[in-house]
This record gives sequence, structure tokens and C-alpha cells, in this order.
Amino acid sequence: EDQVTQSPEALRLQEGESSSLNCSYTVSGLRGLFWYRQDPGKGPEFLFTLYSAGEEKEKERLKATLTKKESFLHITAPKPEDSATYLCAVQDHTDKLIFGTGTRLQVFP
Amino acid sequence: NAGVMQNPRHLVRRRGQEARLRCSPMKGHSHVYWYRQLPEEGLKFMVYLQKENIIDESGMPKERFSAEFPKEGPSILRIQQVVRGDSAAYFCASSPSISNQPQHFGDGTRLSIL
Repeated sequence: EDQVTQSPEALRLQEGESSSLNCSYTVSGLRGLFWYRQDPGKGPEFLFTLYSAGEEKEKERLKATLTKKESFLHITAPKPEDSATYLCAVQDHTDKLIFGTGTRLQVFP
Repeated sequence: NAGVMQNPRHLVRRRGQEARLRCSPMKGHSHVYWYRQLPEEGLKFMVYLQKENIIDESGMPKERFSAEFPKEGPSILRIQQVVRGDSAAYFCASSPSISNQPQHFGDGTRLSIL
């Protein structure tokens, strides 16, 4: 069965304190791994797509990496505005997304 | 703003009533997906539609739930005879016809059942 597990569930960081979020997955026929950001009361906002092991993508303070079993979202020198829930999802051969339950990130000044 | 538009943003219904949720995809997108998010749970896939066709409804309950995406107009998720357990946030996403492209989400409809 396709499954996505994210850790930690919650993460509190001081502004400037770098860290990583983990996404472990099992899926038959991976078409892509997606990272989204979700703010309270809003829908998920697309961040990155990764298609194959070894691939990396960067955007501002965020960097996503992919292996055959997991993905990491690295946050470098975070700011309070990076506070949000970060969601990982895999797309299987049917095109639907299977989501993890997210990591709730809080960055304090 | 050419993003995915969902309405209403909030919907309150009494048990036994019908709920209709609407979704207009991004311009140029022909694929629509519906997901449900329960409190403290992840987003769960419900149904995948293209214009006038249901492609995959494996995540949608067999009874009381239906979805459509007509040739003209928005996609509709319809819940008949709502029960307390239907209370959730319902999100719509759209993508272009090319496979592997990211799905872009609307801000959801929060359904509350009294």
C-alpha cells in the first residue's frame, strides 16, 4: 500500500537555526514527489517537484532532495515568515497524490 | 488572480441536508481533483475528473457522494443527506493535461454539519 510518513510532527526553531524535515515513502510507480506549504485556513501552496533519486531543487531558504526511499526539505537560516505546515506528497501511477500528515514548523524571532 | 477558485469558503448544513461545493480550475487546466482534510489528519484523495469524465473515484464514499465536471462551468462535489462525520475541509486541485505536472490547490470549503 502506498504510504507517506513525515517527521517530526512539529518543529520549533529559533530564527536563523537551520534544520531538515523528513518524508519517507513507499509507492508503486512513483511519478513525482511534491512539497507543499500550507498556512492556516489556506490551501496547500506548491513548492517543489522531484522526479528521480539524486535530484535537488532550491528556492530561497528551502532546498529539497530525493532518494529512493525518502525526501528531505532543508531550511537554511529560517525566518518567522517560514512558519507553516509543510506537506509531502507522492504521485502514483493513477495521478492522485498521497499526502503525509505534515510537519508543523514554528520559527521564533 | 487565475488560481483555483472554490466556493463557498464556509458552508453550514444541518444533518440530512445537501451540500454542494464548487471548484473552478486554473485557466488552461483540464484535470480536477478533490481531497478531504479532517482535523489532525492529512489530505485524502477523493476523486479525479476530466471534462465530462470521472477518471478515478476510488477515494469517494460509494453512498451520498457524487462529483461532476461538466463541459461548461465548475466542477461540483455533491454530498447528499449530510452527517456529522462529513464535517471537514474539502480542497480542489487542478493540473494541466500533461502528466507529472504539479496540482495547484484552492483555499478549500470548510463544511460544518450541525
